[in-house]
Amino acid sequence: GDSVTQMEGPVTLSEEAFLTINCTYTATGYPSLFWYVQYPGEGLQLLLKATKADDKGSNKGFEATYRKETTSFHLEKGSVQVSDSAVYFCASQGYGTDKLIFGTGTRLQVFP
Amino acid sequence: DADVTQTPRNRITKTGKRIMLECSQTKGHDRMYWYRQDPGLGLRLIYYSFDVKDINKGEISDGYSVSRQAQAKFSLSLESAIPNQTALYFCATSDLKGGETQYFGPGTRLLVL
Repeated sequence: GDSVTQMEGPVTLSEEAFLTINCTYTATGYPSLFWYVQYPGEGLQLLLKATKADDKGSNKGFEATYRKETTSFHLEKGSVQVSDSAVYFCASQGYGTDKLIFGTGTRLQVFP
Repeated sequence: DADVTQTPRNRITKTGKRIMLECSQTKGHDRMYWYRQDPGLGLRLIYYSFDVKDINKGEISDGYSVSRQAQAKFSLSLESAIPNQTALYFCATSDLKGGETQYFGPGTRLLVL
């Protein structure tokens, strides 16, 4: 079945460092891909998404590009802030379905 | 006010007790979902509902039941709670008109002793 694999955390960075969180997926067909963020004590919020190959999702300085050839959707940010500290979830959704398949989440800790 | 609300936010119960977690939404969405989150396992789908008359099992429905009382309300019940149901539970909604995005509530932290 479909699955999502993302790098284990925690990822610990200093403020203004470059961030990459890896995410790969397996799916039949061409899923939509998402990054959700969970701030402490809160529910998940959509960060960005991409619905077809080579699409780039972006929001709040974060970016991810849908790479069909490598089945990847890595999350990047050029300069992280303390306020970016959260858990980040990669997810896929099969075409024509409602079900989100989540990765296990990656905790990001940014220190001043 | 939040678009998706969950009650209670925290709950401690004992093994064998029946409990209900409630979810309400003001987004006008047709589709609602219940997930549980466990450390190291991400979120897993328990049940989902496309409208009031359409309820479907998710990946891990055993030990749970749901009720869609109205378009805006979707309740999750644990008929006889057990300790391995200790987890963080999230409700979510979506609307096909808005694309595939799901909107999550703040979560209910459940501890079964």
